[in-house]
Amino acid sequence: DAGVIQSPRHEVTEMGQEVTLRCKPISGHNSLFWYRQTMMRGLELLIYFNNNVPIDDSGMPEDRFSAKMPNASFSTLKIQPSEPRDSAVYFCASSNLAGGIYEQFFGPGTRLTVL
Amino acid sequence: ELKVEQNPLFLSMQEGKNYTIYCNYSTTSDRLYWYRQDPGKSLESLFVLLSNGAVKQEGRLMASLDTKARLSTLHITAAVHDLSATYFCAVDEGNEKLTFGTGTRLTIIP
Repeated sequence: DAGVIQSPRHEVTEMGQEVTLRCKPISGHNSLFWYRQTMMRGLELLIYFNNNVPIDDSGMPEDRFSAKMPNASFSTLKIQPSEPRDSAVYFCASSNLAGGIYEQFFGPGTRLTVL
Repeated sequence: ELKVEQNPLFLSMQEGKNYTIYCNYSTTSDRLYWYRQDPGKSLESLFVLLSNGAVKQEGRLMASLDTKARLSTLHITAAVHDLSATYFCAVDEGNEKLTFGTGTRLTIIP
């Protein structure tokens, strides 16, 4: 089992550039979550999908952020245009309802730095 | 809105000592999760507590859940340096979404 896969692991970009983060959930998991973690704000849920459908995007900070899940094995989080305050670690997690347990498994994260 | 509070936020303790991290939440839920995060790393699932009175133990860590008090505890016995990390509790309300606590940064001092 490969676990949740995220790419890139590190991204450094300049303000105004487009950034795309990628996630492959664990095979067979039907829920996918995007989180952002900073020292100031802690761990924040941005958006989550169930069966490829966005269920709750209330955590997406602005219109500059968008997320898609075109199929069960791939999701993207896009920031356009990026700003320095978007610098954070972005985690993707997946889960599957097994015995009523919503245990989420996290990917290694993408550390984003916007200069 | 579900709120999950952990205390303390920061904890330094000496090796060999015992201590407890507390997780309070504001809604009725009988499912609670504990995660560990090492510096610069991802979150790793530690325990899943599924009912009132549930207790799980792994090595020097023991987690329990009291749904009536809306309280979970993570007890550390005879701490060792390897346990230094940030610990998060998380609660679900019956849907897939988890609400995470602020985390407790634990530092074990030799």
